[in-house]
Amino acid sequence: QSVLTQPPSVSGAPGQRVTISCTGSSSNTGAGYDVHWYQQLPGTAPKLLIYTNTNRPSGVPDRFSGSKSGTSASLTITGLQADDEADYYCQSYDTLLRGWVFGGGTKLTVL
Amino acid sequence: QVQLQESGPRLLKPSQTLSLTCTVSGGSINNNNYYWNWIRQPAGKGLEWIGRIYFSGSIIYNPSLESRVSISVDTSKNQFSLRLTSVTAADTAVYYCARVNVGAGKNNWFDPWGQGTLVTVSS
Repeated sequence: QSVLTQPPSVSGAPGQRVTISCTGSSSNTGAGYDVHWYQQLPGTAPKLLIYTNTNRPSGVPDRFSGSKSGTSASLTITGLQADDEADYYCQSYDTLLRGWVFGGGTKLTVL
Repeated sequence: QVQLQESGPRLLKPSQTLSLTCTVSGGSINNNNYYWNWIRQPAGKGLEWIGRIYFSGSIIYNPSLESRVSISVDTSKNQFSLRLTSVTAADTAVYYCARVNVGAGKNNWFDPWGQGTLVTVSS
């Protein structure tokens, strides 16, 4: 049971838009802690995709965007491509657990 | 650019001690801007933060693992290490090392990551 809740899977056709949610609580996202997102391609390490809720590291296409409101955050991918197929994880800090926490991950399937 | 690489034994028996090392290249671990972290991922499951160390030796552990885990740093070798005692099958996972920038405080993110190493605990 992950501290941050993500849907186990989402899917979309090439060119479409998908959104992945990440819901926390008053001890993490609701306490004002930022949310970060990672993309994990099959068989590889996670890679930073979005930091501080909305920011893209250099090299990440602007098809990827993030938002946060209250206890929830979202990752939106527009113009889906086949190589977007991956697992996506959100991450934040939790004051009760006194450490960094992750969502359970969402598997994106491009149909 | 900085790169991280995990190394260590990949097969352990129950009750043994897991020992992994992360070697940092392309930058110094002796840097007051960064925390150095261990994270693990059981097969087909999500990510779990294990703990972090500062170059000075300051350490914070995940409370759920605190009784069994220790992290150390060797600035002369540009490495930091993980020890996890009394392992069981539940400790079977890919273990990653990753860097965090001190600047954002608790709002930090992990970047970059090592490629990860699979450690299997089996009798």
